Amino acid sequence: QVQLQESGPGLVKPSETLSLTCAVSSYSISSGYYWGWIRQPPGKGLEWIGSIYHSGGTYYNPSLKSRVTISVDTSKNQFSLKLSSVTAADTAVYYCARHIATAVTGWFDPWGQGTLVTVSS
Amino acid sequence: SYGLTQPPSVSVSPGQTARITCSADALPKQYAYWYQQKPGQAPVLVIYKDNERPSGIPERFSGSSSGTTVTLTISGVQAEDEADYYCQSADSSGTYVFGTGTKVTVV
Repeated sequence: QVQLQESGPGLVKPSETLSLTCAVSSYSISSGYYWGWIRQPPGKGLEWIGSIYHSGGTYYNPSLKSRVTISVDTSKNQFSLKLSSVTAADTAVYYCARHIATAVTGWFDPWGQGTLVTVSS
Repeated sequence: SYGLTQPPSVSVSPGQTARITCSADALPKQYAYWYQQKPGQAPVLVIYKDNERPSGIPERFSGSSSGTTVTLTISGVQAEDEADYYCQSADSSGTYVFGTGTKVTVV
């Protein structure tokens, strides 16, 4: 069964770029599906950041689009998130997930365990 | 922007039925999904496409839809069902949105 694992720095300075990677196991990304990032500020709700198709097509949450880049590396079976110009408001647990999407709907299953990223000097 | 509104909290006694609503701002309503999140853990999908249950999810979890409101029902609540629950859908532009979340307390 597919498993996902996030990795990356747990502390990022304000104005810098947050970079995370999600390693996928027991499933080849190049076989299909979208792959997404979702975040959750401490004590708050969930926010979809964006998703990438296995072939590289992306779509992002309009509220974050200007700062987000998601990429995929099928040779390493992983996908990545970059969020630029971070502020304290970007402090959150960041989750990666398989994004099952059709032309009219989509959902996230399964999810990685999540990684806390704190933005602080 | 498109929003999904849930009650902040629901309290239920063991063995009773918990109902959690999720109301969309506007039509058309797309399919809704429900996730369970226990403290310190990642969300887990419990209902997809309004009322479908993934394999491994107990039968006591069910979903329904009426107009712009969807409902997650937990029948015969158990102590292990205490968690936060989030609905999820998408707006007409394809932006995925999560509900405000509901904390279910088993008292």
